[in-house]
Amino acid sequence: QVHLVQSGAEVKKPGASVKVSCKASGYTFINYYIHWVRQAPGQGLEWMGWIDPSRGVTDYAQTFQGRVTMTRDTSTSTAYMELSRLTSDDTAVYYCVRDESAGWEDWGQGTLVTVSS
Amino acid sequence: IVLTQSPGTLSLSPGERATLSCRASQSVSSSYYLAWYQQKPGQAPRLLIYAASSRATGIPDRFSGSGSGTDFTLTISRLEPEDSAVYYCQQYDRSPPTFGGGTKVEIK
Repeated sequence: QVHLVQSGAEVKKPGASVKVSCKASGYTFINYYIHWVRQAPGQGLEWMGWIDPSRGVTDYAQTFQGRVTMTRDTSTSTAYMELSRLTSDDTAVYYCVRDESAGWEDWGQGTLVTVSS
Repeated sequence: IVLTQSPGTLSLSPGERATLSCRASQSVSSSYYLAWYQQKPGQAPRLLIYAASSRATGIPDRFSGSGSGTDFTLTISRLEPEDSAVYYCQQYDRSPPTFGGGTKVEIK
């Protein structure tokens, strides 16, 4: 059974960075891309980018270019998403999702990041 | 590809039929990469439909999807109280993957 377990909620000040982790289990980590999707309070879903865990190759949404870094640790089957220069607009729930051609079935539980002075 | 969902909110009674629309700004060349998700408050999205019309594992058969090109539909044939949620369409045919703005289904 596939599980994606994310790190806990974070509170950050404007200008700071946040790093969210996503630990995968129940499948071969390097065989599936991981996407990151965020959702601001009361808003829709916004794709941030993906990482190929086998090669570490990434693709980021233009909106986040220069501010987001996605990495992985294959020894622990964990993906990471770091977002820098945070503003209040970055307050959101951040999800990791396992990529599958037949729909994105496996999502992490979400990590709430609150940016507040 | 911009996905526009309508209506924004649907308020129906149990047992009624819900029809949700998703219109793409350009053709989703492969319908294989059109999906629908259900999201309840405080939960992650749940995959309902992939490849425009295939139900995901464990999804009741009252949920069905159809469409191709630029017009897609999610139908809930007989609404149950637990179907109260926001529904999103998604395309991942072309990068970047995009989601529609969502349709909120309220059960009277």
